[in-house]
Amino acid sequence: DIVMTQSPLSLPVALGQPASISCRSSQSLVHSDGNTYLTWFHQRPGQSPRRLIYRVSNRDSGVPDRFSGSGSGTDFTLKITSVEAEDVGVYYCMQGTGRQHSFGQGTKLEIK
Amino acid sequence: QVQLVESGGGVVQPGRSLRLSCAASGFIVSSHAMHWVRQAPGKGLEWVAVIWSDANDQYYAESVKGRFTISRDNSKNTLFLQMNSLRADDTAVYYCARDVVGSTDHWGQGTLVTVSS
Repeated sequence: DIVMTQSPLSLPVALGQPASISCRSSQSLVHSDGNTYLTWFHQRPGQSPRRLIYRVSNRDSGVPDRFSGSGSGTDFTLKITSVEAEDVGVYYCMQGTGRQHSFGQGTKLEIK
Repeated sequence: QVQLVESGGGVVQPGRSLRLSCAASGFIVSSHAMHWVRQAPGKGLEWVAVIWSDANDQYYAESVKGRFTISRDNSKNTLFLQMNSLRADDTAVYYCARDVVGSTDHWGQGTLVTVSS
C-alpha cells in the first residue's frame, strides 16, 4: 500500500500571508499510463470534501488561482499565495495511482 | 447537475450487517469508477473501496477487505456498500464519490454509521 504523509499537521497563518503544505508518498505516484494521480481536497467543518487540484497541478473549475499544486514522483506541495478567511479547514492529499487509493492525515489551516 | 445521495446509515450492533446506498443523478454510474470513503468522528478521510467502470473490478482497503463489498445496480444508477461483521472502529460518516481523471470530483453529503451495543 502507498502511504501518504502530510506536513505540517497544523498550520496557523495570518490573513494575506502565504501557506504551503507538503505531501510525500512512500513510492512514486507515476502511473504506468504516464500520469501522476495526486489530488488535493479542502474540507470545511460539517461539509463534504471539495476537490481543488487533480493530477498534481490542475485546478478545478471555480477554484481561486491563489491555489496551486506542484511536485513530482514522491514529493508534492499545495501553495496558497495569500490566505483568505474562507480557506480555513482541513486539506488532504490523496493518491489514485495504486489500486488501493489513500489519503494523507490532513493539515488543519487556521487563521493566526 | 451531478448529485450523489447516500442513505442506509444508522446504529447497528457489533457483528451485524448494514447496506449503504448512493443514488446518483446527472451522470451514469456505470461510466465511471466509483468510490466509498469514510471519516470517523473527528478524524481524517479513509479510502474504503472502489469499483471500476469497465472490468467491474473492485479493490478494498485492508481494514475492510473480506467484510465489505462494493457493487452497483446500473438499472437504478445506484452504488452500494454491503458491510458485514461490523466493528466499533467502522463507526464513521460514509461518503460515495465519483471518479474522474483518476480522482474523486463529486462527493455526496455522507451517511453516518454508528456501531455500538
